[in-house]
Amino acid sequence: EVLLVESGGGLIQPGGSLRLSCAASGITVSTNYMTWVRQAPGKGLEWVSVIYSDGSTYYADSVKGRFTISRDNSKNNVYLQMSSLGAEDTAVYYCARDLWTPRSGQGGFDYWGQGVLVTVSS
Amino acid sequence: DIQMTQSPSTLSASVGDRVTITCRASQSISSWLAWYQQKPGKAPKLLIYKTSTLETGVPSRFSGSGSGTEFTLTISCLQPDDFATYYCQQYRTFGQGTKVEIK
Repeated sequence: EVLLVESGGGLIQPGGSLRLSCAASGITVSTNYMTWVRQAPGKGLEWVSVIYSDGSTYYADSVKGRFTISRDNSKNNVYLQMSSLGAEDTAVYYCARDLWTPRSGQGGFDYWGQGVLVTVSS
Repeated sequence: DIQMTQSPSTLSASVGDRVTITCRASQSISSWLAWYQQKPGKAPKLLIYKTSTLETGVPSRFSGSGSGTEFTLTISCLQPDDFATYYCQQYRTFGQGTKVEIK
């Protein structure tokens, strides 16, 4: 069974930093594309960042230069380091396995965590 | 960047209805389209990938079709469990969502 469990969310002041973690079991993060998606309260889904199996990383324009995705292969975890946070970053953040890969032949995000809430407010 | 536009934004329907949600891409995306279902407080669930292939375990009342720039998600006989918000996705871009609510 595949399980993705996010942690690290909470209330943070504007301009602050936070690191989210995604602990994976049942899949190996180093051999998969792993992605972060967020959803602001009452809004739709927004893709945030992806880390490829080869270590390449990509970001949405809205977070480029402020967020950093990484992974720890020994812990089978994926991380999202967020800095210079603003109210617009308030959202539930999900990690997911990303099948938009040349090899998958299918596309989509098939496994998701339960999400973690990040609230940016003074 | 390719933009994805869903219609309608909200759809009111009754149990047993056939419902169709449309997703339009700003340029041709071949068949690389996925659909998700999301219920309040829950993570999205992948329903369909590559336009028309049902993810394992998804009921056959769900179907997807289309190509190029216009795609549809159809629920043939709406069930109580189907009231939710649906999103299309091309690559890593989502549509804005369609809420299917009880009429």
